[in-house]
Amino acid sequence: DAKTTQPPSMDCAEGRAANLPCNHSTISGNEYVYWYRQIHSQGPQYIIHGLKNNETNEMASLIITEDRKSSTLILPHATLRDTAVYYCTCMTTDSWGKLQFGAGTQVVVTP
Amino acid sequence: GAVVSQHPSWVICKSGTSVKIECRSLDFQATTMFWYRQFPKQSLMLMATSNEGSKATYEQGVEKDKFLINHASLTLSTLTVTSAHPEDSSFYICSANKPGQGAGNTIYFGEGSWLTVV
Repeated sequence: DAKTTQPPSMDCAEGRAANLPCNHSTISGNEYVYWYRQIHSQGPQYIIHGLKNNETNEMASLIITEDRKSSTLILPHATLRDTAVYYCTCMTTDSWGKLQFGAGTQVVVTP
Repeated sequence: GAVVSQHPSWVICKSGTSVKIECRSLDFQATTMFWYRQFPKQSLMLMATSNEGSKATYEQGVEKDKFLINHASLTLSTLTVTSAHPEDSSFYICSANKPGQGAGNTIYFGEGSWLTVV
């Protein structure tokens, strides 16, 4: 599975959009990009995933570059409850469910 | 609500004893489950793939004789930490793949289990 690189930390003001980048330059054609977040001492929570098209759900938007080598998770209106570690990971259909996590981005939303 | 549940949420055991952690899929059958370990301030590390009715597949560096995995039914996988030592103290998390979700998310994580070995 492709290795992902994310900035270690990011601050965001409450109510503003948070844009979280992820680099996955070695991603292969059958790998999906998945985003999870983990609030302290809890299991990871699914946010969104995509293959090559941009995706949006009630939590966030996912923008994948045309070459698929990077993506951005957008939290449109950050709240204090969005403070968490955000993980970007790639997964192939050949090994569905088997996730390899990088270090993630610690997002702190401030009032 | 939760679709994957772990038990116990936290456990304290004495050094040298064994402790079992359960992972259940609540409303679906999971032929495959996954076990992760997470030390404080670190990321999740995949330990093994639990396969219903067959042996687990362990990641490189994970001792299969120390971390026994049993997936005896389609809704239950167990992780037993044998002869636990303080360095085994960690947050253990499982996940399961829920089939039939189409293009939607299929992977659900449990709430995690804190193990402290004293």
